Amino acid sequence: KAGVTQTPRYLIKTRGQQVTLSCSPISGHRSVSWYQQTPGQGLQFLFEYFSETQRNKGNFPGRFSGRQFSNSRSEMNVSTLELGDSALYLCASSLRGAGNTGELFFGEGSRLTVL
Amino acid sequence: AQKITQTQPGMFVQEKEAVTLDCTYDTSDPSYGLFWYKQPSSGEMIFLIYQGSYDQQNATEGRYSLNFQKARKSANLVISASQLGDSAMYFCAMREATGGFKTIFGAGTRLFVKA
Repeated sequence: KAGVTQTPRYLIKTRGQQVTLSCSPISGHRSVSWYQQTPGQGLQFLFEYFSETQRNKGNFPGRFSGRQFSNSRSEMNVSTLELGDSALYLCASSLRGAGNTGELFFGEGSRLTVL
Repeated sequence: AQKITQTQPGMFVQEKEAVTLDCTYDTSDPSYGLFWYKQPSSGEMIFLIYQGSYDQQNATEGRYSLNFQKARKSANLVISASQLGDSAMYFCAMREATGGFKTIFGAGTRLFVKA
């Protein structure tokens, strides 16, 4: 069974640009969550999607957005990049429903560097 | 509001010895789940163990066990017979039943296993 796939793995952008990151969840997983990981702030929750609907949103500015498609694949977008957006962006998928613990299955992440 | 606290930034343990990683949490939701994840230097987050708030017994998974003390709101991870491959970052996490699938993470504890 294929794991969570994130693309691209590495990218370098300059301030003011925008970036789109992609995440393909494990087959059958309809919940996709995004996290930002930095050395100073740790793992910060960005948002969670289930069946194409955003169910939860973290405390991030509106420059951070996302969406989920009918095949459960998800994208997140960051507009008007700032230096502080440099981070590892992790995507995780999960099963919902009774009998599931709901543990997260993570991708390898997309490492964004903003210059 | 839900909160996870890991007070040990770094821990050292001798190979083959047991080690306890501390985690305390705060929530007003009577129904919640507690998780531990491992992040090796490669970066990928790996699910280790789960404890539900209504579970009567402490969770165990191989060399991992979760010391769940509900009244104290603590969920410490115990790793028995440490191995060199256990050197990694360890994160405690929580998901409230009313929070959908929003999982929040503690700051993490970096474990170093000495030969």
